[in-house]
Amino acid sequence: AQKVTQAQTEISVVEKEDVTLDCVYETRDTTYYLFWYKQPPSGELVFLIRRNSFDEQNEISGRYSWNFQKSTSSFNFTITASQVVDSAVYFCALSEGLNAGNNRKLIWGLGTSLAVNP
Amino acid sequence: DAGITQSPRYKITETGRQVTLMCHQTWSHSYMFWYRQDLGHGLRLIYYSAAADITDKGEVPDGYVVSRSKTENFPLTLESATRSQTSVYFCASHSGPTPKETQYFGPGTRLLVL
Repeated sequence: AQKVTQAQTEISVVEKEDVTLDCVYETRDTTYYLFWYKQPPSGELVFLIRRNSFDEQNEISGRYSWNFQKSTSSFNFTITASQVVDSAVYFCALSEGLNAGNNRKLIWGLGTSLAVNP
Repeated sequence: DAGITQSPRYKITETGRQVTLMCHQTWSHSYMFWYRQDLGHGLRLIYYSAAADITDKGEVPDGYVVSRSKTENFPLTLESATRSQTSVYFCASHSGPTPKETQYFGPGTRLLVL
């Protein structure tokens, strides 16, 4: 069965530290997509990145980077030189593959709450 | 540029009352979803819809009813609200049936059932 595990419930760092948020997934599909969302204290859910199962290249966007490793079924998210504005809950999610047909749903991790302290 | 909107943003109601949460999207997305978010449970899917007049249950559908008469609207009704339905409710949408589709979320509705 598909599953997403974010083992870190809460992380606290001091500003300018680098921090990595872990995401481990389980799926039997060969075609799947992984997502990261950010939920700041204001409450909205903001899409950050989508990665497909055939593309293992790391992705970098400013201070954010993502490391996708199929061998370990992980899709980890690193924030470099963290800032207070990065404080949020971060969710990792897995999209069921082609076998899902019309039942297109996301499998969500429980989220990691990141606190960046000044 | 409206995207996906939810109303009301905040609602207080009493046990036993019927409550309807509205969701409207301007993208003509086929798929729409309702989630609830509770501490310790993350996001849980209540109902989803693949198109107008096509709806299906998610993980936690009990006590909720949905309809989708128009592509752009996906209201969620609590027929007889209970305290356990106090939560933050998110509506989301995406355009197609493939796994690559990104779900985009509304701002959420905070519901308190007294």
